[in-house]
Amino acid sequence: KAGVTQTPRYLIKTRGQQVTLSCSPISGHRSVSWYQQTPGQGLQFLFEYFSETQRNKGNFPGRFSGRQFSNSRSEMNVSTLELGDSALYLCASSTRPAGGVTGEQYFGPGTRLTVT
Amino acid sequence: AQSVTQLDSQVPVFEEAPVELRCNYSSSVSVYLFWYVQYPNQGLQLLLKYLSGSTLVESINGFEAEFNKSQTSFHLRKPSVHISDTAEYFCAVSGGNNDMRFGAGTRLTVKP
Repeated sequence: KAGVTQTPRYLIKTRGQQVTLSCSPISGHRSVSWYQQTPGQGLQFLFEYFSETQRNKGNFPGRFSGRQFSNSRSEMNVSTLELGDSALYLCASSTRPAGGVTGEQYFGPGTRLTVT
Repeated sequence: AQSVTQLDSQVPVFEEAPVELRCNYSSSVSVYLFWYVQYPNQGLQLLLKYLSGSTLVESINGFEAEFNKSQTSFHLRKPSVHISDTAEYFCAVSGGNNDMRFGAGTRLTVKP
């Protein structure tokens, strides 16, 4: 089975622009979670989608949004980019919400976003 | 809601020395506990997990973690580390609502 794929792997944007990141989960997985990873804040939960519905949302401003399609692929969008949005954005998929009781989420390699 | 605290942001250690990465959690419900590892330029991988039963759980590469309910801890240990263990380690907790929360991570650096 193919793993979780994220595109693009690297992205450079300018302040004020917007960006869309894509995540393709493992086949059969219906849950997709997004995380922001920075050296200062560590791994922070952005949101989770399960069967096209946002199931949970972290403490991020409304500039961060996402969606999930019927094939379970997910996109996240960040509008009006700020320098502080520079980070590694990780996506994780699982068969159950948040990995269910087994906790097993499968992570993609991430998209490294640099905002200049 | 549950939360996780990893007490050390960085742990440097020499090769073949023992190591302990500390993790404490808080939760008002029964929890499931996990350790994930992130090697450089890669995503996270599940290292080991505690769901129920024996409080001592082991991974295939020599790590072990012990669930201590009274101290609300789930520390990760290895008796002898290798250079290849250099990575960032994340403790995570999931409660009855299936929401998983990660700690800030501990960067383990193994020096020759």
